[in-house]
Amino acid sequence: GAVVSQHPSWVICKSGTSVKIECRSLDFQATTMFWYRQFPKQSLMLMATSNEGSKATYEQGVEKDKFLINHASLTLSTLTVTSAHPEDSSFYICSARDLGRDTQYFGPGTRLTVL
Amino acid sequence: GESVGLHLPTLSVQEGDNSIINCAYSNSASDYFIWYKQESGKGPQFIIDIRSNMDKRQGQRVTVLLNKTVKHLSLQIAATQPGDSAVYFCAETVVGYSTLTFGKGTMLLVSP
Repeated sequence: GAVVSQHPSWVICKSGTSVKIECRSLDFQATTMFWYRQFPKQSLMLMATSNEGSKATYEQGVEKDKFLINHASLTLSTLTVTSAHPEDSSFYICSARDLGRDTQYFGPGTRLTVL
Repeated sequence: GESVGLHLPTLSVQEGDNSIINCAYSNSASDYFIWYKQESGKGPQFIIDIRSNMDKRQGQRVTVLLNKTVKHLSLQIAATQPGDSAVYFCAETVVGYSTLTFGKGTMLLVSP
């Protein structure tokens, strides 16, 4: 149980294009999903908290117009990196919190490379 | 702000040894702690959790110890195997508050 998927697992795009990453909870309903960014050999950095049916809450320093988050259902959240640039290249990981529990379960991550 | 830190960035052990990974936390309000394992190129995988009303919890080959007096958390892995090689993160939160605070991570290297 508690499986979270992400799609795509990796993506390479040209500078200036937009990329959408999907995060799905497969066997549970997640009222809250989280988006993290991770650089090599570093810990996870929380970007935003996404609540189903409401606007996402962004961490300080994260541009909400650049990283668009939509949480349209209890099993799906999307992160769109708009007008991507090479400095946006990173490993993006989502997590989902099971309704009524405090544990977050993580997706496998998406490796984004912007050329 | 307050953060969770780790004493050892890298731990090297021999297969079959017992491993102990440590974590210090500074937020005295935290009452729920989780250990995650992250293999290269993958997302963190839940290992075990513990609430502040406990000081020990055991899973399969893993044990988490919580010392609230000194704000210290540890993960013990029995009979470490090469497949245990990964980065281990501790995370803390307050029950009902959704955000996790992650430690810096410890790389566990298991030699055959």
